[in-house]
Amino acid sequence: EPEVTQTPSHQVTQMGQEVILRCVPISNHLYFYWYRQILGQKVEFLVSFYNNEISEKSEIFDDQFSVERPDGSNFTLKIRSTKLEDSAMYFCASTPDNEQFFGPGTRLTVL
Amino acid sequence: QQQVKQSPQSLIVQKGGISIINCAYENTAFDYFPWYQQFPGKGPALLIAIRPDVSEKKEGRFTISFNKSAKQFSLHIMDSQPGDSATYFCAASESGNTGKLIFGQGTTLQVKP
Repeated sequence: EPEVTQTPSHQVTQMGQEVILRCVPISNHLYFYWYRQILGQKVEFLVSFYNNEISEKSEIFDDQFSVERPDGSNFTLKIRSTKLEDSAMYFCASTPDNEQFFGPGTRLTVL
Repeated sequence: QQQVKQSPQSLIVQKGGISIINCAYENTAFDYFPWYQQFPGKGPALLIAIRPDVSEKKEGRFTISFNKSAKQFSLHIMDSQPGDSATYFCAASESGNTGKLIFGQGTTLQVKP
């Protein structure tokens, strides 16, 4: 069964450093999302991406965040200058319509 | 208005019992209501979903009840098993929009053997 994959599974970084989280959505899916989940809290929407552009972003997704689909398979989330409060699980999701399939997540720890 | 409120925060049920988790929403434009199951260290996995044109949907031991007038929906897990122990999230989205999911706070379910 096709699945969304994410790398790395765990990323540790120093505050102020740039990180890139990678996702490979399910092929033939058209809509892509990034969500985050701070430990013990609910899953929060960050950004949606369709037709090679951002379709919606939340207030969390400020100028430090960016997304790219550099080729036909990868979908990346970049945080330019990480803050302590960026520590969270980051989930990528993709969908052909409404049913969103989530990846296993990347745990980002900012020290 | 974008919020989805979920209760209870945690739930303990005996094996074989019924687990019930409730959610409420405000935005009447929401028209897709999925439930996700999440095990520790894993991503959310879609369990079951409903649209407002039906009041109930059943898949195996899992049933969603939907009350459009009250803007509430609930998940019922029949014959709960220890393997059902996980965190459950309700969510909502507008299909005509970007499809972003608005999640509830989550319910941690523990099913005791």
